[in-house]
Amino acid sequence: ELKVEQNPLFLSMQEGKNYTIYCNYSTTSDRLYWYRQDPGKSLESLFVLLSNGAVKQEGRLMASLDTKARLSTLHITAAVHDLSATYFCAVDSGAQKLVFGQGTRLTINP
Amino acid sequence: ETGVTQTPRHLVMGMTNKKSLKCEQHLGHNAMYWYKQSAKKPLELMFVYNFKEQTENNSVPSRFSPECPNSSHLFLHLHTLQPEDSALYLCASSQVSGVNYEQYFGPGTRLTVT
Repeated sequence: ELKVEQNPLFLSMQEGKNYTIYCNYSTTSDRLYWYRQDPGKSLESLFVLLSNGAVKQEGRLMASLDTKARLSTLHITAAVHDLSATYFCAVDSGAQKLVFGQGTRLTINP
Repeated sequence: ETGVTQTPRHLVMGMTNKKSLKCEQHLGHNAMYWYKQSAKKPLELMFVYNFKEQTENNSVPSRFSPECPNSSHLFLHLHTLQPEDSALYLCASSQVSGVNYEQYFGPGTRLTVT
């Protein structure tokens, strides 16, 4: 059974700092997705990573995938308050089934 | 309307009520999904429909009954629910082709069972 673990689960950081969220998963997969969720809102797709070594960047966020290590990272550069949200990684376990991590609640303070 | 829409956005129901949640996708996708998001658990997949056919039932209790009349519409019929069923219910859709099954989510229905 595929298990997906994110860490940290809670992250409070200052504006302007850099930090990384980690997503580990337990069985082989080469498709991984990152989503953002604002309070009371739905999930917004951020990145789709489809192969080993894939790297995607959008603004201050960069995501990467290492399928051999079964690890994805979401790196935040020079954080700004607008990035405060909960971030989820989701791993494709086959047959369109996504298994989600617990989510990382990110709070960025001025 | 664009993307994935869900109605109602909020629902309060008693344990003896019967209600339905509705989802509609305007993306031309051919797969639709129901997820449950509880306060302290990861997002849980409930049902998957491909081309209107149910392909996944993730051990969901029978008090939840899905219906997919066509590729654009998905319903979740609810009856005799329990308080622990209170949660955010999210609908999603995706294209089933190629290697990218990126799922697009609706705004969700916040369900409270009293």
